[in-house]
Amino acid sequence: DADVTQTPRNRITKTGKRIMLECSQTKGHDRMYWYRQDPGLGLRLIYYSFDVKDINKGEISDGYSVSRQAQAKFSLSLESAIPNQTALYFCATRAPNTEAFFGQGTRLTVV
Amino acid sequence: GDSVTQMEGPVTLSEEAFLTINCTYTATGYPSLFWYVQYPGEGLQLLLKATKADDKGSNKGFEATYRKETTSFHLEKGSVQVSDSAVYFCALSERVGSGGYQKVTFGIGTKLQVIP
Repeated sequence: DADVTQTPRNRITKTGKRIMLECSQTKGHDRMYWYRQDPGLGLRLIYYSFDVKDINKGEISDGYSVSRQAQAKFSLSLESAIPNQTALYFCATRAPNTEAFFGQGTRLTVV
Repeated sequence: GDSVTQMEGPVTLSEEAFLTINCTYTATGYPSLFWYVQYPGEGLQLLLKATKADDKGSNKGFEATYRKETTSFHLEKGSVQVSDSAVYFCALSERVGSGGYQKVTFGIGTKLQVIP
């Protein structure tokens, strides 16, 4: 099993719809992250969480919300999806002073 | 603020050619430096890292040396293979503030295409 699992892997949704992307990890790390990847922009941080009660905005949090349901689960929601949120989304986890472990990504298309 | 600069590519090489992907950074303190690789359809995975000046990270034939004087962490491989075709991300990690948060900043990624 993968260390970090994202669901769904692909999703097409309509403008204005609410959508949730889910992430679970088996590394036992406290820290979890959501990034979006866009061509020419690399990875940008949306939200991060140090533990269940500690959630913080990243560089581009507008239009997104998150929920840390448990140490191993961190979900990302788009309350009202818009086309410029079409991107590849990655969840990651890490322990302090170590590298990050990434999920395989969720390709989201908003039409 | 922190930043990482790398060429977007694509970089196209013939098999067995020498590879260099440049990475330079700006940071306020003493960051750790990383190269991540993303194969088609997959997430990023760590390729190599260096945590202090003059350290050399190496893995799978790839190498990068942490050069503080030139703020660089260039990725090199002596002989690339078709299976090395992927997107390569340079990244830095630095502690921010007093709360223990380590901010990770990624470059835009460089696409490498190796042709037989």
